[in-house]
This record gives sequence, structure tokens and C-alpha cells, in this order.
Amino acid sequence: GQQLNQSPQSMFIQEGEDVSMNCTSSSIFNTWLWYKQDPGEGPVLLIALYKAGELTSNGRLTAQFGITRKDSFLNISASIPSDVGIYFCAGQNSNYQLIWGAGTKLIIKP
Amino acid sequence: DAGITQSPRHKVTETGTPVTLRCHQTENHRYMYWYRQDPGHGLRLIHYSYGVKDTDKGEVSDGYSVSRSKTEDFLLTLESATSSQTSVYFCAISDGGNQPQHFGDGTRLSIL
Repeated sequence: GQQLNQSPQSMFIQEGEDVSMNCTSSSIFNTWLWYKQDPGEGPVLLIALYKAGELTSNGRLTAQFGITRKDSFLNISASIPSDVGIYFCAGQNSNYQLIWGAGTKLIIKP
Repeated sequence: DAGITQSPRHKVTETGTPVTLRCHQTENHRYMYWYRQDPGHGLRLIHYSYGVKDTDKGEVSDGYSVSRSKTEDFLLTLESATSSQTSVYFCAISDGGNQPQHFGDGTRLSIL
């Protein structure tokens, strides 16, 4: 079946640093979505990407839909403590079903 | 927050007992989904619904059934719970097509 490889699995960063994570697949997707999940809550949509090559920002977050339609990345600039959490990518296939990455856990060093 | 309410939020039960989880939405969205989330697996689709009484299987549907008798409610049933079904269960809704899914806050289910 379709799979997404999300990396890194976890990141330890200093407050103020920029963060980058990505998802890759051997399959083509029509839509890429990035979600953030805080403990005890459901995933919350951060950014949705609908066209190959599309670059979209949401505040300090920027995501891109890869030109091959098989990958996407998410950047966070100038990280702050509330950025801590688990970030998930999800690709939507031609059947409109979501395939999920395993998540990137963001931890800020004290 | 999207108007999605999952109940109960936590449940502990014994192997072999039936369990029903409820998802209620106030957004009048056509599509509703049930996922389970386990460490290292991200979210995996159990079943979804594309309208009242219209449902289909997802990736991990064995041992689960669903029902949707009203637009706003989507029920997930474990007919005879097993320890492998211990997980966090999330409901999601969408307007279909390429519209993003929005999630409830989950039900933590422990089967002893």
C-alpha cells in the first residue's frame, strides 16, 4: 500500500531556531496536508497544499508541495515554546483518502 | 474548533465486551471518518461514511463496525473488544473532495 516517510522522527531545538521537516513517498498525491497535534488533543490543520510547486505560508510556517507530487516539506521559522508537539504530514490520493506520515516530534531544549 | 464531539473521552473495559464510541458533528459535513492512532503508526483509517447509511472500509477495519443513521452522528462499534484494539480513536469530518479533514479530541480506549 501507499506509505509516507516522514523525517526526522524527532528534533531537539533551541528556542529561536528554524526547523525543517519533510515527507516523501513513492506514490503521487493530489493534496498535501500538514497537521500539528498537542498532547490529549486531535490533529489540527496547519497548511493545505493543492498544486505541485505550491508554496504556502501560515505565519511562521511555510510548506511546499513538491514538483514531482511525491514530497512536501514544512519549515518553522524562529521557533517558540508553543511550537512543541507532533507534526504530521498527510497525502491525499486519487480516492480522496489520506495517507499519514508517522510524525515528527518537536522538543525545545531548556 | 470544528464542531466535533467524541464520547466518551476515556474508557476502560474488559476483553470480550462490546464497546461503542460516538462522534457528533454540528458542521453538517457529508463525510465522517474513524481513525486509530498507535505509537509509530501515525493515523490509520478504520471506516468512513460518505452520507447517511453510506459507509465503507478503511485500512484496518477488521473487528470494527460503524453506523450512520443521521448526518450528525457516526458510531464505531467493537463487537467483542480485544487487547489489540487498545488505542486512541479519532473522529474526523470533511466536506469531501479535496477538502481537509478536521478532527475531534479523541477517545482513549484501554482493553484489559
